[in-house]
Amino acid sequence: AQSVTQLGSHVSVSEGALVLLRCNYSSSVPPYLFWYVQYPNQGLQLLLKYTTGATLVKGINGFEAEFKKSETSFHLTKPSAHMSDAAEYFCAVLSGGGADGLTFGKGTHLIIQP
Amino acid sequence: GAGVSQTPSNKVTEKGKYVELRCDPISGHTALYWYRQSLGQGPEFLIYFQGTGAADDSGLPNDRFFAVRPEGSVSTLKIQRTERGDSAVYLCASSLKAGLPYEQYFGPGTRLTVT
Repeated sequence: AQSVTQLGSHVSVSEGALVLLRCNYSSSVPPYLFWYVQYPNQGLQLLLKYTTGATLVKGINGFEAEFKKSETSFHLTKPSAHMSDAAEYFCAVLSGGGADGLTFGKGTHLIIQP
Repeated sequence: GAGVSQTPSNKVTEKGKYVELRCDPISGHTALYWYRQSLGQGPEFLIYFQGTGAADDSGLPNDRFFAVRPEGSVSTLKIQRTERGDSAVYLCASSLKAGLPYEQYFGPGTRLTVT
């Protein structure tokens, strides 16, 4: 069985400040990890993913995440927040050969203060 | 190009009624997934199709839920004898093929409200 825990249902940062959204996972097999963003009334959009290889992955809109096996973590960061980053962010894991459905965390609502 | 589309965008129904939710995947995508997102939760996997067949329906909560994809393109999620607990946003996603490295592309969802 696999699961995802996102610490903090709401995170508030000032515009220009560092964004850090936390994600921890559990998986009995090497996981594939994802971050999705959801803007109001829109579908989920893939920000970045880790499958194999380099543990620091870069995504769209200046976001990046680092896979740390020893900590079972895949935290999402962005050096400088922009107002347009305000959205819901979901961490997800895929295992079992990679052909199954994604298992998502509960999400973190990112609020950007002007 | 056109993304994944879902109809209707909103559906209000009375407890006990039958509903159908439709998903049009991206043209050429052979894999199609259904998820359910309850208020304050992340999406929860329900079922996925590879072509016309359901490859994994382990996420369907009970036998009131059923999904079909008869021609390997459009899919319909069917819910019988709806209950208030079925109220959620139902998301559909498609990918070129199932599994990595193929990305799942999500539709905007259908918001189902059971009164």
